[in-house]
Amino acid sequence: NAGVTQTPKFQVLKTGQSMTLQCAQDMNHEYMSWYRQDPGMGLRLIHYSVGAGITDQGEVPNGYNVSRSTTEDFPLRLLSAAPSQTSVYFCASSYSGTRRGNTIYFGEGSWLTVV
Amino acid sequence: DQQVKQNSPSLSVQEGRISILNCDYTNSMFDYFLWYKKYPAEGPTFLISISSIKDKNEDGRFTVFLNKSAKHLSLHIVPSQPGDSAVYFCAAIVGGGNKLVFGAGTILRVKS
Repeated sequence: NAGVTQTPKFQVLKTGQSMTLQCAQDMNHEYMSWYRQDPGMGLRLIHYSVGAGITDQGEVPNGYNVSRSTTEDFPLRLLSAAPSQTSVYFCASSYSGTRRGNTIYFGEGSWLTVV
Repeated sequence: DQQVKQNSPSLSVQEGRISILNCDYTNSMFDYFLWYKKYPAEGPTFLISISSIKDKNEDGRFTVFLNKSAKHLSLHIVPSQPGDSAVYFCAAIVGGGNKLVFGAGTILRVKS
């Protein structure tokens, strides 16, 4: 059982380049989300999805795009990378309709540096 | 303005003693609170949670206390072990969704 898998683990981008962070889960979870972690700020929600074909914005959505064509995958796209997007990105998944924290699973993180 | 605050960036405790990590929140609509533990180069993992209708929840060495009137919760680890050394995040949920609002985290170091 792989859980939540994120790729790549490390990436260096030049300003203005675009890229996609991949996230896949094998637990048949309806709910998936992306967070970014910055020093002194904890994790902040970028985008989330409550099921295939449905996405919505979180707290810090600007500069990012998402889509949810399948239950398993929830890619995060950086349209034109900026140094302010240098961060650690975490994908999470869970069943919808539950507020039990022990069903929210996080991936291992993707370290992104924009130069 | 941060809705969930962890005002202590770090805490150092001797092995076997109690670790107390604190968290304050400002949004009175939060109705579920969670603590996550994070090791370097790994994702956060769930530790313990508490509903706003309770004031205490225990799981082994970990106990979370909630004081709704003070909008304050704390995580107690007794006894502390070196393997508990990690970053601890306090998080909250409002409504029926799974959107987490995180604090900035507290680095716990347990010295042997």
